[in-house]
Amino acid sequence: AQSVTQLDSHVSVSEGTPVLLRCNYSSSYSPSLFWYVQHPNKGLQLLLKYTSAATLVKGINGFEAEFKKSETSFHLTKPSAHMSDAAEYFCVVSVWNQGGKLIFGQGTELSVKP
Amino acid sequence: GAVVSQHPSWVICKSGTSVKIECRSLDFQATTMFWYRQFPKQSLMLMATSNEGSKATYEQGVEKDKFLINHASLTLSTLTVTSAHPEDSSFYICSASVGTLSTGELFFGEGSRLTVL
Repeated sequence: AQSVTQLDSHVSVSEGTPVLLRCNYSSSYSPSLFWYVQHPNKGLQLLLKYTSAATLVKGINGFEAEFKKSETSFHLTKPSAHMSDAAEYFCVVSVWNQGGKLIFGQGTELSVKP
Repeated sequence: GAVVSQHPSWVICKSGTSVKIECRSLDFQATTMFWYRQFPKQSLMLMATSNEGSKATYEQGVEKDKFLINHASLTLSTLTVTSAHPEDSSFYICSASVGTLSTGELFFGEGSRLTVL
């Protein structure tokens, strides 16, 4: 069975400093992994996705994530945080052979201090 | 990108009434849509997979008679919360896929916040 674990429920950074949101996955198969962002009372927006192509995935708004099979990790990073990055971030894995069915991590709330 | 629209965004109802939430794919056809539920400060929980022209597939623990899902066309899926109670108050989000998951992606609606008094 597939699962994801987001290691931090809350991360706080200062504006202009790097962001690291950690995610570990568990999958018996080669997984498809995603990072989504959710602003308050809004739906979800895809930041980036990994689908067995390049292990370093670049997304929107300067975010990127690296798929590391040996560490079963898919951490999300950004070199310099912006105030508008404050939101909830979800690491997500797709269920193999059930196209479109996603399993969400618990979420990490990112706060950005001025 | 593709747009998924949910309506209504906010709904308040009395206990015992039924509420219908619509999920529309505006510029693409979605044979499959998904309904999620999200409690405050929590993650999304998949409730059911909605397949156009067939019965929805519900996740374990989700009451089929409580949460009625209809996917009558390739652009519309509806979720009806029947005989709503305060514990049904939640944020409901739908999503629809474009292409296969490996080549496409899921697009999410803006969500519908249900408050049952």
